[in-house]
Amino acid sequence: GAVVSQHPSWVICKSGTSVKIECRSLDFQATTMFWYRQFPKQSLMLMATSNEGSKATYEQGVEKDKFLINHASLTLSTLTVTSAHPEDSSFYICSARGRGGGGPQETQYFGPGTRLLVL
Amino acid sequence: GQNIDQPTEMTATEGAIVQINCTYQTSGFNGLFWYQQHAGEAPTFLSYNVLDGLEEKGRFSSFLSRSKGYSYLLLKELQMKDSASYLCAGMDSNYQLIWGAGTKLIIKP
Repeated sequence: GAVVSQHPSWVICKSGTSVKIECRSLDFQATTMFWYRQFPKQSLMLMATSNEGSKATYEQGVEKDKFLINHASLTLSTLTVTSAHPEDSSFYICSARGRGGGGPQETQYFGPGTRLLVL
Repeated sequence: GQNIDQPTEMTATEGAIVQINCTYQTSGFNGLFWYQQHAGEAPTFLSYNVLDGLEEKGRFSSFLSRSKGYSYLLLKELQMKDSASYLCAGMDSNYQLIWGAGTKLIIKP
């Protein structure tokens, strides 16, 4: 149980384009989803938290107009990086928390991550 | 403020035991998590402690002392595949995870 998928796993794009990353909870209902960014050899940085059906809460310093988050259902959240630039290149990881995951309800289960490279 | 402290790096020998310590300060407390993260991969859940004491799960055990704001992850019979970063995270009163920077564990033959 508690499987989270992310798609795509790798993205290479040109500067100025937009990239959408999908995060799905496959076998449980994700009432809350989280989006993280991780630069090489650094710790996880929480970007935003989203509850199903409501607007995401962004961490300080994260531009909500640049990183659009949608959590339209209990199994799907999307992160769109708009007008991506080379400094947005990073490892983006989603996690999900909710009912039926098999472990403690407070547990965040992580997707495999998406590597974004902006040229 | 909220803070999680854990050592940056530890080295241990295959077959041995290693203990990774973590001290935490959170606004309220709803539990302490340990995750394992291999290089280039996303974290995977290892353990969750919300009450004092030791929780054993196979070769891995996790301990919590709420009065001391302290936890440790104990890894027994170390295997080469245990080489990874181990992330300690405290959950605050808003059910938000406060992450440590991770402890890189290097296993030598």
